[in-house]
Amino acid sequence: KAGVTQTPRYLIKTRGQQVTLSCSPISGHRSVSWYQQTPGQGLQFLFEYFSETQRNKGNFPGRFSGRQFSNSRSEMNVSTLELGDSALYLCASSTSRGDIAGYTFGSGTRLTVV
Amino acid sequence: AQSVSQHNHHVILSEAASLELGCNYSYGGTVNLFWYVQYPGQHLQLLLKYFSGDPLVKGIKGFEAEFIKSKFSFNLRKPSVQWSDTAEYFCAVNLGTGNQFYFGTGTSLTVIP
Repeated sequence: KAGVTQTPRYLIKTRGQQVTLSCSPISGHRSVSWYQQTPGQGLQFLFEYFSETQRNKGNFPGRFSGRQFSNSRSEMNVSTLELGDSALYLCASSTSRGDIAGYTFGSGTRLTVV
Repeated sequence: AQSVSQHNHHVILSEAASLELGCNYSYGGTVNLFWYVQYPGQHLQLLLKYFSGDPLVKGIKGFEAEFIKSKFSFNLRKPSVQWSDTAEYFCAVNLGTGNQFYFGTGTSLTVIP
């Protein structure tokens, strides 16, 4: 079966711009979580969506937002980009909120802010 | 502050050497523990997981990990590494509520043929 699909794979943006990243979960998966991966901080939790509702949020500023659609696809948006937002953004999906064993990661979107 | 600590940032081993990567966490209560691996250019993959029961868990590719509750540790081991084990390894904790994972900062393993 198809894995978690994240688009685009690479993105270069300028400071102050905004960006939208997309995540299509595995078919049948309804929970989608987002993580930011940087060399210094490792993976940090951004937010979790289930049934189109944000269920949990990490410690990131309000410039980071997300949403989930009725088909479980999710988008995250970062407004007013800063250099420090350069990172690999990972999406993970699972069938439900309790299905942590089935948590599957996508390959990520590499965002570079210049 | 609550955290997941991986003590070794970079490890270099020769093939056939034994591997042990440390992981300590500071969360109390129920914890579910994981090790993930990220091969160069690939996505994170689950190596093994611990929910309950036997504290010695076996994963894929010959990896195993031992949960020691009294030490808040979940160290990863492999008796004999191969060049193909070169990757970054992440320890992660889930607190049993929702799908939020807390990750360590990762250990980069290089295996020299």
